[in-house]
Amino acid sequence: SQTIHQWPATLVQPVGSPLSLECTVEGTSNPNLYWYRQAAGRGLQLLFYSVGIGQISSEVPQNLSASRPQDRQFILSSKKLLLSDSGFYLCAWSVQGRENTGELFFGEGSRLTVL
Amino acid sequence: QKEVEQNSGPLSVPEGAIASLNCTYSDRGSQSFFWYRQYSGKSPELIMFIYSNGDKEDGRFTAQLNKASQYVSLLIRDSQPSDSATYLCAVRGGADGLTFGKGTHLIIQP
Repeated sequence: SQTIHQWPATLVQPVGSPLSLECTVEGTSNPNLYWYRQAAGRGLQLLFYSVGIGQISSEVPQNLSASRPQDRQFILSSKKLLLSDSGFYLCAWSVQGRENTGELFFGEGSRLTVL
Repeated sequence: QKEVEQNSGPLSVPEGAIASLNCTYSDRGSQSFFWYRQYSGKSPELIMFIYSNGDKEDGRFTAQLNKASQYVSLLIRDSQPSDSATYLCAVRGGADGLTFGKGTHLIIQP
C-alpha cells in the first residue's frame, strides 16, 4: 500500500532563518506531488506541485521554493523565513494520469511557527 | 480563478440527527468533487468523491452533486460525536491539485 511521510512534524524558527521540510512517498511510482499551506483561519493554499523529477510549478509568489530531486521525494525550502510563513504545511500525492479525477492523499503535516 | 465556498459554521447537530454540509464552486469545468474530514491539528482525510450528477452513498455518508447549480453537499446520517471535525469541500479540474473551500466546522452534541 502507498504511504506518505513528512518531517519534521513541528518546528519553531526565528525570522530570517532557513527552512527545509521533506516529504517522501512509498509504494507508488511517478506520483504527482503537492505542497499546501494552511494558515490559521484560512483554507488550504496550494504552494507548489510537481508532475516529475525536476519539474516544479509555483502557484503563489513568495520566499519559498520547492525541489524534487528524486521521483518520490519533495522538499520545501526557504532561505529566510518571514512571520507570515507560519502555518501548517501539508505534502500530498496523487496518481499520475488522473489529473482530472484523482484524489489527493496527505501526509501528517508539519506545523511551523516563525517567531 | 477557481473558488470554492463553504459556510464556516460552526454547525451544531444533535447526536443521531442528519448533518447537512454544503458547498458551491465557481469553475464550470470542474470534473470531480471531494469531501475531506480534518480533525483539529491533523491532516485532511478523504471521506468521499463524486464525479456524476446525483447521489452517491457510502455507509452513513451521502454526497450529492448538481453541476447545473454548481453545488455539492454531504449528508451524514446518524451523526456521532466522533464526526465532530472540519469538513473540507474540494474540486479538481487539472494537474494543479485540488481547490479547497475553507471548511465547515461541525459539532455533534451528545
